[in-house]
Amino acid sequence: GNSVTQMEGPVTLSEEAFLTINCTYTATGYPSLFWYVQYPGEGLQLLLKATKADDKGSNKGFEATYRKETTSFHLEKGSVQVSDSAVYFCALTITQGAQKLVFGQGTRLTINP
Amino acid sequence: GAVVSQHPSRVICKSGTSVKIECRSLDFQATTMFWYRQFPKQSLMLMATSNEGSKATYEQGVEKDKFLINHASLTLSTLTVTSAHPEDSSFYICSVTGGVQETQYFGPGTRLLVL
Repeated sequence: GNSVTQMEGPVTLSEEAFLTINCTYTATGYPSLFWYVQYPGEGLQLLLKATKADDKGSNKGFEATYRKETTSFHLEKGSVQVSDSAVYFCALTITQGAQKLVFGQGTRLTINP
Repeated sequence: GAVVSQHPSRVICKSGTSVKIECRSLDFQATTMFWYRQFPKQSLMLMATSNEGSKATYEQGVEKDKFLINHASLTLSTLTVTSAHPEDSSFYICSVTGGVQETQYFGPGTRLLVL
């Protein structure tokens, strides 16, 4: 079946630290991969996505590369800010007439000043 | 992106009662809406997919008679938890999309507590 496994949290870093949140997946077919972010009190927002192998998604200083050989889509940011504190979800879709998202369990990130 | 609201944001009810949760797309024609359920510290699990004007498609293991979904218009979908029990306590989240391959836009969620 299709599944997503994320690095367990919570993760706590100091401002300007380097961030990596690991994500690996299992899928039949060729999934599209996503990172969503949920800020306190808000709904999930799409952060970035990649639709095929070796694609790199990027947004707001975050990056993730679709690695088919390692079935991974790790999220990275070179210098985090306090405002990046949120819960991050890795997800995939296998389109079957409707875009069904399969989510990882989420990783809570806290950035201290 | 689309702005999606949910109402109520929190609800507490007695066991055996029914609860209706609304999901509204404020500025977007949502041809497809999704309902998810999230347990504490766990992932979002898709419950059902609904297209405007047609019956919802439920995921395996989700009781369609317990979780009634109505997608009456392009801007409104409702989830009714019928005869709620404590095990139905959870965080319910909706999302909307304009069609296949389109980005999903999520609501802020509704926390349900059944006593």
